[in-house]
Amino acid sequence: KAGVTQTPRYLIKTRGQQVTLSCSPISGHRSVSWYQQTPGQGLQFLFEYFSETQRNKGNFPGRFSGRQFSNSRSEMNVSTLELGDSALYLCASSLRTDRTSEAFFGQGTRLTVV
Amino acid sequence: AQSVAQPEDQVNVAEGNPLTVKCTYSVSGNPYLFWYVQYPNRGLQFLLKYITGDNLVKGSYGFEAEFNKSQTSFHLKKPSALVSDSALYFCAVRDIEAAGNKLTFGGGTRVLVKP
Repeated sequence: KAGVTQTPRYLIKTRGQQVTLSCSPISGHRSVSWYQQTPGQGLQFLFEYFSETQRNKGNFPGRFSGRQFSNSRSEMNVSTLELGDSALYLCASSLRTDRTSEAFFGQGTRLTVV
Repeated sequence: AQSVAQPEDQVNVAEGNPLTVKCTYSVSGNPYLFWYVQYPNRGLQFLLKYITGDNLVKGSYGFEAEFNKSQTSFHLKKPSALVSDSALYFCAVRDIEAAGNKLTFGGGTRVLVKP
C-alpha cells in the first residue's frame, strides 16, 4: 500500500511569490492535515480537511489556505511568501475522524524562501 | 487548550542501555497520546499510541510507553537502545473533547545513541 505522497520534495521561491504544495493520502484515507515544521516553532498545525471540507484551522495568517478534492487529494497554498515561511511542510492522512486513529505522514516538502 | 512538553532537548545514551524520553501533556478532557519518530529529511513515523485501557502501551521497534494520568505523563521507553534509534522523537496529544484530528506536538527530543 502506497504511503502519503507529497510533491514536490523541494522548492525554492522568491519572497512575494506564491506556492502550491500537493498531498496524496493513503488510499481510503479521507482526513488530511497539514503541519509546518521549523527549528524555532517546532511542529504547528495548519488545517485539516475531511470530505472536501475544512474541519479545523490553526493559528496562521490568511495567506495560508488549502483545499481537498473529491479523491481526497489535498493542496495547500501560500501567497505573498515571506522569509519566515521557509519550513518543512508535512501532510498527514488518517483513516477516520473519530480521533483514535493515528496519522500517517508524508516525507514533506522543504520550502525555502529567498 | 492542549499542550505537550518534552523537557529534554537531547538525550544521550550508550548502546545497550535503557532509553527514556519524557513527555507531559495538558488537555481539558481525556487525551489520546501518540509518539512519532523522525529521521533526517524524512516525515514522521508512528511508533505507538494510548487511547484507553492498559497504561503500558507497546509499539514498533521495541518501544513502549507508560501512561500516567495523575502525573499527566506519557514517557517513551526502550529497554536496550540501538545506534539506529538515534533520531528526533515527538510526543503528541489529541484532545478527545475537541473536534477533528488535530495533533499538538511537543518540541521534540533528539536521541543520540553512542556505540
